[in-house]
Amino acid sequence: ILNVEQSPQSLHVQEGDSTNFTCSFPSSNFYALHWYRWETAKSPEALFVMTLNGDEKKKGRISATLNTKEGYSYLYIKGSQPEDSATYLCASPSNFGNEKLTFGTGTRLTIIP
Amino acid sequence: GAVVSQHPSRVICKSGTSVKIECRSLDFQATTMFWYRQFPKQSLMLMATSNEGSKATYEQGVEKDKFLINHASLTLSTLTVTSAHPEDSSFYICSAKRQVEQFFGPGTRLTVL
Repeated sequence: ILNVEQSPQSLHVQEGDSTNFTCSFPSSNFYALHWYRWETAKSPEALFVMTLNGDEKKKGRISATLNTKEGYSYLYIKGSQPEDSATYLCASPSNFGNEKLTFGTGTRLTIIP
Repeated sequence: GAVVSQHPSRVICKSGTSVKIECRSLDFQATTMFWYRQFPKQSLMLMATSNEGSKATYEQGVEKDKFLINHASLTLSTLTVTSAHPEDSSFYICSAKRQVEQFFGPGTRLTVL
């Protein structure tokens, strides 16, 4: 069983500010790192799947980086908007083929208007 | 694309009854679906992997006779909680695999009285 950790647990950010949070995972036997955005009462939305050390992916104002050697990924949100309020989950598979995801407990982000 | 539905979204039942939860991939076919459970303030925990046309694979500690999984078509997997008890009260969520990603349903909140 992998140990995937996320910090902080919760975060309040003023609208317009930028923010970032962390996902850490075992650096050995790494296969991939998934980021999801989960709004209350909705399905978790897939944001990124990252596989290579040094990967950097972007989707609008959200971007993520990956360091597989030290076992962490950062998610950045630039110019936070109220609609960014959600829980952000990261997950890593324990085997090749991206099955059996182990999830972190998430970072709950609240944007203050 | 990649929409997964789950039904019901919320169910309350009496102790000893069985409850069936459906997970459907609406716009793609999924050979593999996954069932997760989330207890309060904990991360999503994989319960089982559901494979179309074959038996599900259960994670350690998950009773296969209590959590019956059927994946009879490429777009539907069902989870039946048999003889439910209050300790089975939880949030159950499914995902369907497409290529390297997993797409999630919105989840089912089960309360057993």
